[in-house]
Amino acid sequence: ILNVEQSPQSLHVQEGDSTNFTCSFPSSNFYALHWYRWETAKSPEALFVMTLNGDEKKKGRISATLNTKEGYSYLYIKGSQPEDSATYLCAPSFTSNTGKLIFGQGTTLQVKP
Amino acid sequence: DSGVTQTPKHLITATGQRVTLRCSPRSGDLSVYWYQQSLDQGLQFLIHYYNGEERAKGNILERFSAQQFPDLHSELNLSSLELGDSALYFCASKAPSGATYNEQFFGPGTRLTVL
Repeated sequence: ILNVEQSPQSLHVQEGDSTNFTCSFPSSNFYALHWYRWETAKSPEALFVMTLNGDEKKKGRISATLNTKEGYSYLYIKGSQPEDSATYLCAPSFTSNTGKLIFGQGTTLQVKP
Repeated sequence: DSGVTQTPKHLITATGQRVTLRCSPRSGDLSVYWYQQSLDQGLQFLIHYYNGEERAKGNILERFSAQQFPDLHSELNLSSLELGDSALYFCASKAPSGATYNEQFFGPGTRLTVL
């Protein structure tokens, strides 16, 4: 059974705070790591896909890093805004399993104005 | 809008009944994945179809089945429904093999409530 863990489970911050979340996953047979942003009543939306050890991706105030050797990824949000409130899901895929994504439980972020 | 459509958006039914959830992938995508999100659980992979053929099964109950049709839309059939089947069901589609490292695009989901 492939176990993907995200922490913290939830986070409440003030507008303007910077924050980060962790995703840990098995490093064996790693293929790619996906981050999704999931707002209530909407469908998960892809943020980043990363494949190489040391990869860093950035989109606006959100960035992510990847360590495939030790099996973790960090997602950073700089200067959080209320519109960043959502659940952030990480999902690795592995070379052995037909492209299916194994999702963590997610980190739910609430940004208070 | 991801380009993936799912119907219906909401479904309320009784225990013991059977329902069918429908998914149309993005134009050109051959793969469809079904996921279930129950209360307090993350998204759980159910089943994957590629160009009409079943490719992988996850935590899918025997009471559940799926198929993908020649026009590439997929249906997830849930039978002998139990209260615990109440969940949000997503489908996702993926570009043809080799593209974008298995990036999947999610539909809006079907919320199933079993009473």
